[in-house]
Amino acid sequence: DTAVSQTPKYLVTQMGNDKSIKCEQNLGHDTMYWYKQDSKKFLKIMFSYNNKELIINETVPNRFSPKSPDKAHLNLHINSLELGDSAVYFCASSQESGGLSEQYFGPGTRLTVT
Amino acid sequence: AQRVTQPEKLLSVFKGAPVELKCNYSYSGSPELFWYVQYSRQRLQLLLRHISRESIKGFTADLNKGETSFHLKKPFAQEEDSAMYYCALSHSSNTGKLIFGQGTTLQVKP
Repeated sequence: DTAVSQTPKYLVTQMGNDKSIKCEQNLGHDTMYWYKQDSKKFLKIMFSYNNKELIINETVPNRFSPKSPDKAHLNLHINSLELGDSAVYFCASSQESGGLSEQYFGPGTRLTVT
Repeated sequence: AQRVTQPEKLLSVFKGAPVELKCNYSYSGSPELFWYVQYSRQRLQLLLRHISRESIKGFTADLNKGETSFHLKKPFAQEEDSAMYYCALSHSSNTGKLIFGQGTTLQVKP
């Protein structure tokens, strides 16, 4: 009974393709996040949704589009993939969007763009 | 601008030695600070938060607003402490946005 799950775990694709990464949480949390971890292990927030509403939208290219069909799911769609998109993408969730809430992370999706 | 700095990319100590993982932050408001840890082949998970003032697995961290630091300490390192440690700052707008440091790999040698 995994708390935060992501699919796929690994994704290898060519430049120019469009791909999606899915995230689901079964914790009943209201808030979900997407983070990007680069090759130097630096973690950076990309997006956050609270009850299906976008609340954080960092400066990421328009090619990245999050979608939250319900509060248990937050998917990340990436258009026209570029080499620089290669990274590990982490989904996370928290009980609420407040600054004190512990965030629970998924296992990560390693995206490799060739 | 909000920023979290972890100056050491790698910290290597022997078992039983004291450990201090450094974290400095730059923030204009009242910060909420956390330490997250990622053990090998496990997920990133919360280790401790400053507001709880707790000790988890023997680790403690004190917020020093004068020095803008939140160093993580443990008096006697264990091999199972080997992991990647991230210091993180929560955004003042209450969105839950976490700003992470670059991470420090702690290696505890037998």
